[in-house]
Amino acid sequence: ELKVEQNPLFLSMQEGKNYTIYCNYSTTSDRLYWYRQDPGKSLESLFVLLSNGAVKQEGRLMASLDTKARLSTLHITAAVHDLSATYFCAVLRYNFNKFYFGSGTKLNVKP
Amino acid sequence: DADVTQTPRNRITKTGKRIMLECSQTKGHDRMYWYRQDPGLGLRLIYYSFDVKDINKGEISDGYSVSRQAQAKFSLSLESAIPNQTALYFCATSDLGSASYNEQFFGPGTRLTVL
Repeated sequence: ELKVEQNPLFLSMQEGKNYTIYCNYSTTSDRLYWYRQDPGKSLESLFVLLSNGAVKQEGRLMASLDTKARLSTLHITAAVHDLSATYFCAVLRYNFNKFYFGSGTKLNVKP
Repeated sequence: DADVTQTPRNRITKTGKRIMLECSQTKGHDRMYWYRQDPGLGLRLIYYSFDVKDINKGEISDGYSVSRQAQAKFSLSLESAIPNQTALYFCATSDLGSASYNEQFFGPGTRLTVL
């Protein structure tokens, strides 16, 4: 069974600072996804990473994928309060057509 | 209008009751999923369906059953609810097509409390 581990699970940071969330997975994967969830809300898709070396950026968020290391990162640049949310990574096992989610990283950006 | 809808949005019930959660989608996707979310555990897959005739168990299917009434509708039932089924339940859809990269689209969630 594929395992997906995120760290840190909780992250409290000041506005203007940079930080990285890590997503490790245990076996070969085909695709990796990042989602954002606001409290009491549904999950919103942020990035889809399709291959080794893929990098996607949207505003202050940048995601990358290293399939050899089985690692994806979500980098936050110059954090702002509006980025406060829980971020999930998810891995797709294509042959099994199943998604496996990390436990989530709860980010709190203090003004 | 939302592409993926869930009803009810909130439900409180008692132990032993039968409960059905419903999911409808207008995205035209073949694949539909049911997840539950518990604090600190992320999302765990309960059941998934790739078309009306294809139903598959996920990692935590015990105590749950599903029905795919049509391409657009996928229902989750708790035959005899128990308190540890208290959770937030999400329905999701995806498409195999290359343009969508299997991206999942989630409904708004159903908060279920079993007393």
